[in-house]
Amino acid sequence: QVQLVQSGAEVKKPGSSVRVSCEASGSTLKYYAVTWVRQAPGQGLEWMGGIIPLSGTANYAEHFQGRVSITTDESATTAYMELSSLRSEDTGLYYCARSSIVRGEKYYFYGMDVWGQGTTVIVSS
Amino acid sequence: AIQLTQSPSSLSASVGDRVTISCRASQGIRDDLGWYQQKPGTAPKLLIYAASTLQSGVPSRFSGSGSGTDFTLTISRLQPEDFATYYCLQDHNYPWTFGQGTKVEIK
Repeated sequence: QVQLVQSGAEVKKPGSSVRVSCEASGSTLKYYAVTWVRQAPGQGLEWMGGIIPLSGTANYAEHFQGRVSITTDESATTAYMELSSLRSEDTGLYYCARSSIVRGEKYYFYGMDVWGQGTTVIVSS
Repeated sequence: AIQLTQSPSSLSASVGDRVTISCRASQGIRDDLGWYQQKPGTAPKLLIYAASTLQSGVPSRFSGSGSGTDFTLTISRLQPEDFATYYCLQDHNYPWTFGQGTKVEIK
């Protein structure tokens, strides 16, 4: 059974960057979409962005534009989310998730059915 | 960006109740909508995709309906394990967006 295993918790200083990894154990992410979702303490879910390794295209939420980068390694076994210029409001739990996709006139998605366990990022001076 | 408005933001219900949660999109999104359940301290779980398709392994008491701008998640007979927060998500256009969530609490 496919699992997404995320890297461990991080404590960062304001202004620094963090990179969180998401490894598909025993599988590849090549034929899926990979999404990153943030949850601030006590808050709802926030879509940060996603990537379709087949196309190499990443899309980002306007809220994070210019600060976030989502990539995969060459084998598309591991996805990465890097967030820069960290501030205290970036403290939260970061999840990766996988969606099945179908290519038609555009890409169609079939829900995020496999999720990572979440990575806590704390931004504090 | 497409906005999703969920209602209510919270509700109290009893075991066995029928529960309905609404999600309204700010523009038409065909059936490109999913529903997720999240319990405290755990990752979200996919319940429904493409507005009405039940994810494998999800109990049949969960159902989704709607198309265009108005969508509904229905739990036919609420069970103790269904007390959680529910989110809708549109994947019609980038940027994807979540609704603000609906917390289902025990009455």
